Amino acid sequence: GQQLNQSPQSMFIQEGEDVSMNCTSSSIFNTWLWYKQDPGEGPVLLIALYKAGELTSNGRLTAQFGITRKDSFLNISASIPSDVGIYFCAGARTGNQFYFGTGTSLTVIP
Amino acid sequence: EAGVVQSPRYKIIEKKQPVAFWCNPISGHNTLYWYRQNLGQGPELLIRYENEEAVDDSQLPKDRFSAERLKGVDSTLKIQPAELGDSAVYLCASSSGRRDTQYFGPGTRLTVL
Repeated sequence: GQQLNQSPQSMFIQEGEDVSMNCTSSSIFNTWLWYKQDPGEGPVLLIALYKAGELTSNGRLTAQFGITRKDSFLNISASIPSDVGIYFCAGARTGNQFYFGTGTSLTVIP
Repeated sequence: EAGVVQSPRYKIIEKKQPVAFWCNPISGHNTLYWYRQNLGQGPELLIRYENEEAVDDSQLPKDRFSAERLKGVDSTLKIQPAELGDSAVYLCASSSGRRDTQYFGPGTRLTVL
C-alpha cells in the first residue's frame, strides 16, 4: 500500500522549543489527519483537516492542510516532555480509505 | 463513550500456530479497519468493513489471513498458520462515516517465535 513521506524522520529538541513537521504525497487528498502514538499504544487522533488551506489548532498543536492538497504540516509550540512520541499523518482521497505516513519520532530533552 | 477495544494486548506464539485477534469498535461506528504496523513504520491497511461487508481487502494475505464481522459490530482477524514475518502490532480502528476520521484501539502486539 501507499505510504506518505514524513519529515523529519526524527527530532531531538530542548523543552520549550517549537517543533515543525510535514507530510507529502504524490496524490491529492481530501482529508488529512494527524496522530500521536506512544510506545505500546495505538495512534491517538490529534487534529483532522478537511479543506485546502484549513488551519486548525488543538491546544499547543496547529496543523494546516496544504494549498496544493498534496501536503500537510504540524506545529507544536513550547514543547514539553509529554510531547515525546511518534507523530503520524494520514490522508484520504475519498470515502474511508486512509494512507499513513512513515512517522516522525520526537524526543524532548528536559 | 468507550473507545475501540482490542484483545488480547499481547500474544506470543510459535510459527505455524494459529492466532486470532478481536476488536469491538466504538458504538455506532459502521466502518471498521484492521491495520498491521511493523516496527518503525506507519499502519498499513489489511481490510476495511462497511457494516458486515468487506469493501477493501486487497492487502490481506488471503492464503493465511481471514477476517469476519458477522453482525456488523465486532470483528475477528485470524492468521493460520502464523509465520515469523507476521510479528507486528495489529491495530483495529473504526469510523462513523459521517466525516473522514478514524479512531484506533490500543493494538495487539504479536510475536511469532
